[in-house]
Amino acid sequence: GQNIDQPTEMTATEGAIVQINCTYQTSGFNGLFWYQQHAGEAPTFLSYNVLDGLEEKGRFSSFLSRSKGYSYLLLKELQMKDSASYLCAVRPGGNYGQNFVFGPGTRLSVLP
Amino acid sequence: GAGVSQSPSNKVTEKGKDVELRCDPISGHTALYWYRQSLGQGLEFLIYFQGNSAPDKSGLPSDRFSAERTGGSVSTLTIQRTQQEDSAVYLCASIQNLNTEAFFGQGTRLTVV
Repeated sequence: GQNIDQPTEMTATEGAIVQINCTYQTSGFNGLFWYQQHAGEAPTFLSYNVLDGLEEKGRFSSFLSRSKGYSYLLLKELQMKDSASYLCAVRPGGNYGQNFVFGPGTRLSVLP
Repeated sequence: GAGVSQSPSNKVTEKGKDVELRCDPISGHTALYWYRQSLGQGLEFLIYFQGNSAPDKSGLPSDRFSAERTGGSVSTLTIQRTQQEDSAVYLCASIQNLNTEAFFGQGTRLTVV
């Protein structure tokens, strides 16, 4: 089966840095994605990792270690508008083709 | 179109009725996905299409659920004899190719009363 784990909830302070972890056990690996979802809205794409290492995109960075089945999303200079759920998704590939498997999501609350 | 479009945005139906949800993906996107999200929960995979065929329909919760895609474009998800546990937001997403991200529609909020 496919399994993706994330912390359920996190709280951080405006202006701070927060790291959201994701671990996965899947039958294969063909990329890991991070999405942001505000309450009542559709998920929107944040980042994509397929090779080990850090991908930086403005205030957001994402890291991948395929050997450890581990990724994290790093958010810097937190703003109130960053309060949202953050979804980790893996594309197992192989017999699962282009399917995505989503984790349960991490609800981040940014406090003033 | 400019984005993934889903209709209706909201649907209230009586238990036992059939409902049909529509997804219009981004033009030219080859793969289309259906997910279900209950309040405060993660995304539950239902089915995905590559072109008009469905290589993986393992997530459909029961035989009351079916989906089709025609012309490599629009997809409909049909739920027969709806039950209260079917109440959720049904999200559709599409991708251009294997190495790109999925783009999501705004979802259909289904309420079974």
